[in-house]
Amino acid sequence: EPEVTQTPSHQVTQMGQEVILRCVPISNHLYFYWYRQILGQKVEFLVSFYNNEISEKSEIFDDQFSVERPDGSNFTLKIRSTKLEDSAMYFCASSSVLQNEKLFFGSGTQLSVL
Amino acid sequence: SQQGEEDPQALSIQEGENATMNCSYKTSINNLQWYRQNSGRGLVHLILIRSNEREKHSGRLRVTLDTSKKSSSLLITASRAADTASYFCATSPGITDKLIFGTGTRLQVFP
Repeated sequence: EPEVTQTPSHQVTQMGQEVILRCVPISNHLYFYWYRQILGQKVEFLVSFYNNEISEKSEIFDDQFSVERPDGSNFTLKIRSTKLEDSAMYFCASSSVLQNEKLFFGSGTQLSVL
Repeated sequence: SQQGEEDPQALSIQEGENATMNCSYKTSINNLQWYRQNSGRGLVHLILIRSNEREKHSGRLRVTLDTSKKSSSLLITASRAADTASYFCATSPGITDKLIFGTGTRLQVFP
C-alpha cells in the first residue's frame, strides 16, 4: 500500500539553526499538508499546499516557516531559525484529488531544539 | 474556544468489549473524521462522516453524528488488543481544507 515517507525520523538541532524536514507524499496525490504535535497536545494544522502554492496556513506558520515542492516527489518544511518551542513531532500528509478530505499521514519527524 | 474535545481522555477495557468515544465540536462542519494513532506513529484515517449523514459503519467501527448537538461518537465493537491506540476526531469546518483535531482518547485494550 502506498505511504507517505518522512525523513529524518528524528532531528536534533541547536536553537537558531535552520532545519529542513522532508516528505515524499503518495505519488498521485496533489494536496500536501504539514501538521505538528507538541508532546501531550493536539495535532495542529500548519499549512496546506496545492498547485505549487500555499492554499492555507495557520497563525503558527509565521515567517520562520516555509514549504517547497522542489521536484515532482518531495515536499519540504523549512524552519529558518529554530526556537525551543518548535520542538514537536511534525507530520506530513497528502490527499488525492478524488478524495481530498481523506488525509494520509507519514510517521513523523521528531524535532528536538536544544 | 476549542474545536474537537474527546471524552473520555482515557479508556481501558478488556478484549471483546465495546469501546465508545465521544467528540464535541463548536463550529459548523462539512465533515467529521476519526483517526487512529499508535504510539510514536502517524495518524491513520478510519472513517469520515459528512454533515448530512447521521450514522456510518466500517467493519467493527460505527460512527454517529448529531449536528444539532455538535457531537459525534465512535464505537469499536468486539475490541482487540491491537486496537490499543489514541483516537482523534477531526473536523473540516467549511470552506477550508485544514482539519482541526481533537484532544484524543487513549484506548487500552487488555487481552
